[in-house]
Amino acid sequence: ETGVTQTPRHLVMGMTNKKSLKCEQHLGHNAMYWYKQSAKKPLELMFVYSLEERVENNSVPSRFSPECPNSSHLFLHLHTLQPEDSALYLCASSQLAGGRREQFFGPGTRLTVL
Amino acid sequence: DQQVKQNSPSLSVQEGRISILNCDYTNSMFDYFLWYKKYPAEGPTFLISISSIKDKNEDGRFTVFLNKSAKHLSLHIVPSQPGDSAVYFCAASGGYGGATNKLIFGTGTLLAVQP
Repeated sequence: ETGVTQTPRHLVMGMTNKKSLKCEQHLGHNAMYWYKQSAKKPLELMFVYSLEERVENNSVPSRFSPECPNSSHLFLHLHTLQPEDSALYLCASSQLAGGRREQFFGPGTRLTVL
Repeated sequence: DQQVKQNSPSLSVQEGRISILNCDYTNSMFDYFLWYKKYPAEGPTFLISISSIKDKNEDGRFTVFLNKSAKHLSLHIVPSQPGDSAVYFCAASGGYGGATNKLIFGTGTLLAVQP
Protein backbone atom coordinates (compact mmCIF):
# COMPACT_ATOMS: atom_id res chain seq x y z
CA GLU A 1 0.00 0.00 0.00
CA THR A 2 1.21 3.45 -0.74
CA GLY A 3 0.09 6.93 0.28
CA VAL A 4 -2.91 7.31 2.56
CA THR A 5 -5.58 4.63 2.74
CA GLN A 6 -9.01 4.80 4.33
CA THR A 7 -11.54 2.12 5.20
CA PRO A 8 -14.35 1.66 4.69
CA ARG A 9 -14.94 3.63 1.52
CA HIS A 10 -18.68 3.72 2.09
CA LEU A 11 -20.65 3.44 5.32
CA VAL A 12 -24.37 3.57 6.04
CA MET A 13 -25.37 3.69 9.67
CA GLY A 14 -28.36 4.36 11.82
CA MET A 15 -28.42 7.06 14.44
CA THR A 16 -27.98 4.57 17.27
CA ASN A 17 -25.05 2.68 15.75
CA LYS A 18 -21.40 2.84 16.70
CA LYS A 19 -18.84 2.59 13.95
CA SER A 20 -15.22 3.54 13.32
CA LEU A 21 -13.38 4.98 10.35
CA LYS A 22 -9.77 3.95 9.85
CA CYS A 23 -6.92 5.79 8.19
CA GLU A 24 -3.38 4.59 7.58
CA GLN A 25 -0.52 6.56 6.09
CA HIS A 26 2.52 4.93 4.50
CA LEU A 27 4.49 8.15 3.95
CA GLY A 28 6.44 8.35 7.20
CA HIS A 29 4.67 11.58 8.17
CA ASN A 30 4.33 12.83 11.72
CA ALA A 31 0.97 14.63 11.56
CA MET A 32 -2.50 13.36 10.66
CA TYR A 33 -5.81 15.13 10.11
CA TRP A 34 -9.53 14.44 9.85
CA TYR A 35 -11.62 16.63 7.54
CA LYS A 36 -15.33 16.72 6.77
CA GLN A 37 -16.58 17.65 3.31
CA SER A 38 -20.26 18.46 2.98
CA ALA A 39 -21.96 19.39 -0.28
CA LYS A 40 -21.11 22.89 -1.51
CA LYS A 41 -18.96 23.65 1.55
CA PRO A 42 -15.20 23.94 1.94
CA LEU A 43 -13.30 21.10 3.55
CA GLU A 44 -13.70 21.56 7.30
CA LEU A 45 -10.81 20.60 9.54
CA MET A 46 -12.02 18.47 12.45
CA PHE A 47 -8.93 17.20 14.28
CA VAL A 48 -5.16 17.42 14.05
CA TYR A 49 -2.71 14.97 15.58
CA SER A 50 0.92 15.89 15.78
CA LEU A 51 3.33 13.19 16.94
CA GLU A 52 0.33 11.20 18.16
CA GLU A 53 -0.99 13.99 20.36
CA ARG A 54 -4.20 15.80 19.55
CA VAL A 55 -3.23 19.41 18.99
CA GLU A 56 -6.43 20.75 17.52
CA ASN A 57 -10.13 20.09 17.91
CA ASN A 58 -12.24 22.45 15.87
CA SER A 59 -15.33 22.48 18.09
CA VAL A 60 -16.37 19.08 16.86
CA PRO A 61 -19.34 17.47 18.69
CA SER A 62 -18.42 14.74 21.14
CA ARG A 63 -20.24 12.13 19.05
CA PHE A 64 -17.03 12.17 16.97
CA SER A 65 -14.09 10.73 18.88
CA PRO A 66 -10.63 10.51 17.29
CA GLU A 67 -7.86 8.14 18.25
CA CYS A 68 -4.24 8.08 17.11
CA PRO A 69 -2.47 5.00 18.51
CA ASN A 70 0.74 5.66 16.52
CA SER A 71 2.04 7.97 13.84
CA SER A 72 0.75 5.77 11.00
CA HIS A 73 -2.81 5.15 12.14
CA LEU A 74 -5.77 7.38 12.83
CA PHE A 75 -9.31 6.42 13.76
CA LEU A 76 -12.57 8.33 13.98
CA HIS A 77 -15.07 6.67 16.28
CA LEU A 78 -18.69 7.54 15.57
CA HIS A 79 -21.68 7.15 17.89
CA THR A 80 -25.23 8.46 17.97
CA LEU A 81 -24.72 10.48 14.80
CA GLN A 82 -27.31 12.74 13.21
CA PRO A 83 -28.46 12.76 9.56
CA GLU A 84 -26.66 16.10 9.07
CA ASP A 85 -23.39 14.28 9.79
CA SER A 86 -23.72 12.56 6.42
CA ALA A 87 -20.69 13.70 4.43
CA LEU A 88 -17.36 12.65 2.95
CA TYR A 89 -14.77 12.18 5.70
CA LEU A 90 -11.20 12.64 4.57
CA CYS A 91 -7.99 11.75 6.31
CA ALA A 92 -4.71 13.45 5.49
CA SER A 93 -1.11 13.36 6.63
CA SER A 94 1.84 15.71 6.42
CA GLN A 95 5.40 16.11 7.59
CA LEU A 96 5.75 18.94 10.06
CA ALA A 97 8.83 21.16 9.73
CA GLY A 98 10.98 21.35 6.61
CA GLY A 99 9.16 24.35 5.15
CA ARG A 100 6.63 22.45 3.04
CA ARG A 101 3.02 22.30 4.21
CA GLU A 102 1.42 19.94 1.75
CA GLN A 103 -1.06 17.48 3.13
CA PHE A 104 -1.68 14.21 1.37
CA PHE A 105 -5.22 12.88 1.39
CA GLY A 106 -6.81 9.48 1.42
CA PRO A 107 -9.76 8.63 -0.82
CA GLY A 108 -12.30 9.34 1.90
CA THR A 109 -15.21 7.51 3.50
CA ARG A 110 -18.66 8.43 2.22
CA LEU A 111 -20.86 8.31 5.32
CA THR A 112 -24.65 8.23 5.23
CA VAL A 113 -26.58 8.48 8.50
CA LEU A 114 -30.17 7.31 8.30
CA ASP B 1 -16.58 34.23 7.39
CA GLN B 2 -14.73 32.47 4.58
CA GLN B 3 -11.08 33.38 4.52
CA VAL B 4 -10.38 31.64 1.21
CA LYS B 5 -12.81 32.24 -1.63
CA GLN B 6 -13.19 30.72 -5.04
CA ASN B 7 -15.91 32.80 -6.62
CA SER B 8 -16.34 30.76 -9.79
CA PRO B 9 -18.10 27.48 -9.04
CA SER B 10 -17.41 26.23 -12.56
CA LEU B 11 -15.31 26.88 -15.65
CA SER B 12 -15.47 25.39 -19.13
CA VAL B 13 -12.45 25.48 -21.48
CA GLN B 14 -11.61 24.00 -24.86
CA GLU B 15 -8.86 21.38 -25.04
CA GLY B 16 -5.51 22.97 -25.82
CA ARG B 17 -6.48 26.38 -24.45
CA ILE B 18 -5.44 27.95 -21.16
CA SER B 19 -7.48 27.36 -17.99
CA ILE B 20 -7.26 30.07 -15.34
CA LEU B 21 -8.63 29.33 -11.89
CA ASN B 22 -8.81 32.13 -9.37
CA CYS B 23 -8.69 32.34 -5.60
CA ASP B 24 -8.92 35.27 -3.18
CA TYR B 25 -8.04 35.36 0.49
CA THR B 26 -8.67 37.79 3.31
CA ASN B 27 -6.14 36.87 5.99
CA SER B 28 -2.89 38.77 5.45
CA MET B 29 -1.11 36.32 7.76
CA PHE B 30 -1.37 33.52 5.22
CA ASP B 31 2.10 32.81 3.87
CA TYR B 32 1.77 29.55 1.96
CA PHE B 33 -0.74 28.61 -0.70
CA LEU B 34 -1.63 25.34 -2.38
CA TRP B 35 -3.78 23.98 -5.17
CA TYR B 36 -5.42 20.59 -5.07
CA LYS B 37 -7.31 18.65 -7.72
CA LYS B 38 -10.16 16.31 -6.85
CA TYR B 39 -11.85 13.69 -9.00
CA PRO B 40 -15.23 12.23 -7.93
CA ALA B 41 -14.94 9.44 -5.36
CA GLU B 42 -11.27 10.28 -4.68
CA GLY B 43 -9.49 12.42 -2.14
CA PRO B 44 -7.87 15.73 -3.13
CA THR B 45 -4.49 15.39 -4.86
CA PHE B 46 -1.79 17.99 -4.25
CA LEU B 47 -0.86 19.88 -7.44
CA ILE B 48 1.38 22.83 -6.74
CA SER B 49 2.22 25.28 -3.96
CA ILE B 50 3.77 28.70 -3.53
CA SER B 51 5.36 30.51 -0.62
CA SER B 52 4.58 34.17 -0.05
CA ILE B 53 8.22 35.05 -0.73
CA LYS B 54 7.61 34.19 -4.40
CA ASP B 55 5.14 35.49 -6.94
CA LYS B 56 5.27 32.57 -9.37
CA ASN B 57 5.88 28.86 -9.27
CA GLU B 58 5.82 26.57 -12.27
CA ASP B 59 5.58 22.80 -12.61
CA GLY B 60 5.09 21.48 -16.11
CA ARG B 61 1.73 22.63 -17.45
CA PHE B 62 0.76 24.18 -14.10
CA THR B 63 1.77 27.66 -12.95
CA VAL B 64 0.60 29.43 -9.81
CA PHE B 65 0.76 33.20 -9.56
CA LEU B 66 0.53 35.08 -6.27
CA ASN B 67 -0.38 38.76 -5.95
CA LYS B 68 0.05 39.57 -2.27
CA SER B 69 -1.12 43.17 -2.51
CA ALA B 70 -4.39 42.03 -4.05
CA LYS B 71 -4.57 38.91 -1.84
CA HIS B 72 -5.17 36.91 -5.00
CA LEU B 73 -3.71 33.79 -6.52
CA SER B 74 -4.40 31.99 -9.74
CA LEU B 75 -3.64 28.62 -11.27
CA HIS B 76 -2.87 28.48 -14.98
CA ILE B 77 -3.06 25.20 -16.86
CA VAL B 78 -1.52 25.27 -20.34
CA PRO B 79 -2.44 23.46 -22.49
CA SER B 80 -5.64 22.15 -20.93
CA GLN B 81 -6.40 18.48 -21.44
CA PRO B 82 -9.67 16.54 -20.96
CA GLY B 83 -8.02 14.65 -18.07
CA ASP B 84 -7.71 17.95 -16.23
CA SER B 85 -11.49 17.99 -15.75
CA ALA B 86 -11.95 17.93 -11.98
CA VAL B 87 -12.72 20.15 -9.01
CA TYR B 88 -9.80 22.42 -8.08
CA PHE B 89 -9.40 23.62 -4.50
CA CYS B 90 -7.30 26.53 -3.36
CA ALA B 91 -5.89 26.33 0.19
CA ALA B 92 -3.93 28.68 2.43
CA SER B 93 -1.77 28.24 5.48
CA GLY B 94 -0.09 30.41 8.11
CA GLY B 95 -0.82 32.83 10.90
CA TYR B 96 -2.23 30.28 13.33
CA GLY B 97 0.84 29.61 15.39
CA GLY B 98 1.88 26.13 16.39
CA ALA B 99 3.25 23.65 13.93
CA THR B 100 0.20 21.88 12.57
CA ASN B 101 0.35 22.85 8.85
CA LYS B 102 -3.30 23.83 9.20
CA LEU B 103 -4.90 24.50 5.81
CA ILE B 104 -7.95 26.63 5.05
CA PHE B 105 -9.74 25.56 1.87
CA GLY B 106 -11.92 27.35 -0.64
CA THR B 107 -15.16 25.84 -1.93
CA GLY B 108 -13.65 24.65 -5.20
CA THR B 109 -14.07 25.31 -8.93
CA LEU B 110 -15.29 22.59 -11.26
CA LEU B 111 -13.19 22.66 -14.43
CA ALA B 112 -14.56 21.00 -17.56
CA VAL B 113 -12.16 20.68 -20.49
CA GLN B 114 -14.07 20.07 -23.70
CA PRO B 115 -12.42 17.88 -26.36
